[in-house]
Amino acid sequence: QVQLQESGPGLVKSSQSVSLTCSVSGDSIRHSGAYWNWIRHLPGKGLEWIGYIYFSGYTQSNPSLKSRVSLSVDTSKNQFSLELDSVTAADTAVYYCARTPPLFYDRSGFHFDSWGRGIRVTVSS
Amino acid sequence: QSVLTQPPSASATPGQTITISCSGSNSNIGDNYVYWYQQLPGTAPKLLIYRTDQRPAGVPARFTASKSGTSASLAVSGLQSEDEADYYCASWDDSLSSMIFGGGTKLTAL
Repeated sequence: QVQLQESGPGLVKSSQSVSLTCSVSGDSIRHSGAYWNWIRHLPGKGLEWIGYIYFSGYTQSNPSLKSRVSLSVDTSKNQFSLELDSVTAADTAVYYCARTPPLFYDRSGFHFDSWGRGIRVTVSS
Repeated sequence: QSVLTQPPSASATPGQTITISCSGSNSNIGDNYVYWYQQLPGTAPKLLIYRTDQRPAGVPARFTASKSGTSASLAVSGLQSEDEADYYCASWDDSLSSMIFGGGTKLTAL
């Protein structure tokens, strides 16, 4: 069974960067062919897809966040990471990492079949 | 304001059938797959439907979904109290080049 676990700071100051890491167990980032995503739940506003990374380092991000988002992967640790720059109060959210299973990535859409429990990130002034 | 429009709330009596709608456009639902997620309070979203009408293993058959044109719907038959949750639709948007979600519908079993 695939398990994902987010880690990182729960409190970040405005204008700084926040780095989050997702540790994966029960699946191999390097070998499975899955895509590894970040999604956030903004309070009172619902879910927002941030982007994904493939084991090769190929990424695709939400254009609305692309200029502030960096995605990276460490296959030796079976982890992938998100760095979000220049954060503001609008970035306060619960951040989830999630898997798109192998063979289900399609130009017509893709789903998230395994999710981490989420990490709450609060941006303070 | 979400690109995919869902009613903010829906309710029905246990045992009844309730349908949640998701309205989009040709750049998303009209041309791409639709996905549905269930989020129970304090937990991560759970995949309910993928590729418009497919149920993952373990999801009860009373959850069904379909789409017509630029709208999609999720039906829950034989509503149970444990179905009380937030439900989100999602789709790829060709114009935005992004996965997008609806604003979510809070389902209540009266």
